[in-house]
Amino acid sequence: EAQVTQNPRYLITVTGKKLTVTCSQNMNHEYMSWYRQDPGLGLRQIYYSMNVEVTDKGDVPEGYKVSRKEKRNFPLILESPSPNQTSLYFCASSSLGEANEKLFFGSGTQLSVL
Amino acid sequence: LAKTTQPISMDSYEGQEVNITCSHNNIATNDYITWYQQFPSQGPRFIIQGYKTKVTNEVASLFIPADRKSSTLSLPRVSLSDTAVYYCLVGDYNNAGNMLTFGGGTRLMVKP
Repeated sequence: EAQVTQNPRYLITVTGKKLTVTCSQNMNHEYMSWYRQDPGLGLRQIYYSMNVEVTDKGDVPEGYKVSRKEKRNFPLILESPSPNQTSLYFCASSSLGEANEKLFFGSGTQLSVL
Repeated sequence: LAKTTQPISMDSYEGQEVNITCSHNNIATNDYITWYQQFPSQGPRFIIQGYKTKVTNEVASLFIPADRKSSTLSLPRVSLSDTAVYYCLVGDYNNAGNMLTFGGGTRLMVKP
């Protein structure tokens, strides 16, 4: 089954404790992206990647890191989480270079930073 | 990157047709228009995509005028389960760059 898998689904942590949210897709997609969603603000892009070893900042990259060492994985790293990073996070992927393509989303990760 | 503008919210009743319009005045030649639906605490899911004129699938229709500066998502005979947030997304799946950025979305409330 084609899917984007995020882990964990829920995470509670404390300020300053490094964490990683994993994202994996099984569709051989070139494009992967991270979004955060906060009430009233819609989906805001954090980082995206066009292919392996190619990453770039989205609209709200501060406080986040990403890596793309393999095509299927795109982890989101919070080196020193702060309470303002409490949010619902979504990973998404898509193929490139073809019409009628679409973003596939993971189920989301609800992060609370205390 | 083409910026999109949608109404923040809309109300409707079961059985009615709902039309949600998205403005994208700076749409580029290679951009496609894609609509997504999102339920609370779930990731958005694809509804429909088009480039020009009209596209129809089993859940919706998408109308795009000749100048492509706007698009209208049409949901026929909505039900309570269509209550969700709808996002219009404009982007080029062939081009590198900061693509596929979502706007604020339209919150549709379907009432009985």
